[in-house]
Amino acid sequence: SQQGEEDPQALSIQEGENATMNCSYKTSINNLQWYRQNSGRGLVHLILIRSNEREKHSGRLRVTLDTSKKSSSLLITASRAADTASYFCATGILTGGGNKLTFGTGTQLKVEL
Amino acid sequence: KAGVTQTPRYLIKTRGQQVTLSCSPISGHRSVSWYQQTPGQGLQFLFEYFSETQRNKGNFPGRFSGRQFSNSRSEMNVSTLELGDSALYLCASSLEGEIGFNEQFFGPGTRLTVL
Repeated sequence: SQQGEEDPQALSIQEGENATMNCSYKTSINNLQWYRQNSGRGLVHLILIRSNEREKHSGRLRVTLDTSKKSSSLLITASRAADTASYFCATGILTGGGNKLTFGTGTQLKVEL
Repeated sequence: KAGVTQTPRYLIKTRGQQVTLSCSPISGHRSVSWYQQTPGQGLQFLFEYFSETQRNKGNFPGRFSGRQFSNSRSEMNVSTLELGDSALYLCASSLEGEIGFNEQFFGPGTRLTVL
């Protein structure tokens, strides 16, 4: 079963605009990660935010986490055509000595020239 | 460093057969996780191995199994294939530093088609 639900399911914007994707989850987590996937290929890790953090930046990416609302958002600023991909949030729970990730449903982002 | 490699990249099998997929993690990574991705169910966690031991397991039937070798390479096996097993199978490895917070590096996946 999926822990995260992402919104919107699909997003189409113009190059240069900002893209915001939201992720909501149901149970308590230890961390939340965002990944990108291009055309059914392997996933690429973008950013990790821990449950005691509220905001994190990496280049053009900004992630926020609100554990009281059980939600996170990913903002991509000044988007480029190369940002076209599917974006997934993954909630991490420490269990069995490891970090078990549960992925959301994903947002398909299309950045048009 | 070379990335995570998965073999084969594409596989076609028929119902009832079994299949073995292989994953070589990034050098030095000891944790290997497997995921199944389908259009209907999305990305679902199968299992995770660390130091040759299964550390976590998802909600899949016993037909799905895996193992990890001493060099951290991992295999997963699906027996008695069903049509619904058609999927992209992704392997990911991570470096165990601060336990539980490490990013996972994904391989390109094995596309399995069951006819």
